[in-house]
Amino acid sequence: GQNIDQPTEMTATEGAIVQINCTYQTSGFNGLFWYQQHAGEAPTFLSYNVLDGLEEKGRFSSFLSRSKGYSYLLLKELQMKDSASYLCAVPFNAGNMLTFGGGTRLMVKP
Amino acid sequence: DAMVIQNPRYQVTQFGKPVTLSCSQTLNHNVMYWYQQKSSQAPKLLFHYYDKDFNNEADTPDNFQSRRPNTSFCFLDIRSPGLGDAAMYLCATSGGQGLYGYTFGSGTRLTVV
Repeated sequence: GQNIDQPTEMTATEGAIVQINCTYQTSGFNGLFWYQQHAGEAPTFLSYNVLDGLEEKGRFSSFLSRSKGYSYLLLKELQMKDSASYLCAVPFNAGNMLTFGGGTRLMVKP
Repeated sequence: DAMVIQNPRYQVTQFGKPVTLSCSQTLNHNVMYWYQQKSSQAPKLLFHYYDKDFNNEADTPDNFQSRRPNTSFCFLDIRSPGLGDAAMYLCATSGGQGLYGYTFGSGTRLTVV
């Protein structure tokens, strides 16, 4: 089966850096996804990691360590609009489906 | 633009009154999914279609059914909605690029009164 753990809530200040962690257990590994979800809206794709290391995409970066079953999403130069839930997800069933963590609700304060 | 469209965006239904949520896609993806997401919780997979093959998650209640009459459309039927079925229902598609092309619709927020 799959098990994904993320902190429930985090608070950070505008302009700062925040790291959102995710640990996972899965039978067979097909990569790890991060999604952003604003309140009342659908999740939107942020990143996909399948190899170890850091992938940078503008203000957002995602890191993966397969041996540790660990990933993090790094958000730099935080803006108020970054207040949202961040969902970590891993594929299962030969990669046909995603299972999601509970999400981390990030609140960015002025 | 190619996309996944869910209608309606907001749906109010009476306790016990059947309701249908719809999803359409212009991506020509072969896999379509329905997820249920309750407040502050993770999206939970209800079922998915791989082409016309229907796959039900083991813990999806019998109260929930789905139809996929063609590649573009998929429906979620709730036969007798209860107060506990109030949630956001998310449709998603994937295909071609595998999960890299996993695209969500905007969701339908269901309220049961």
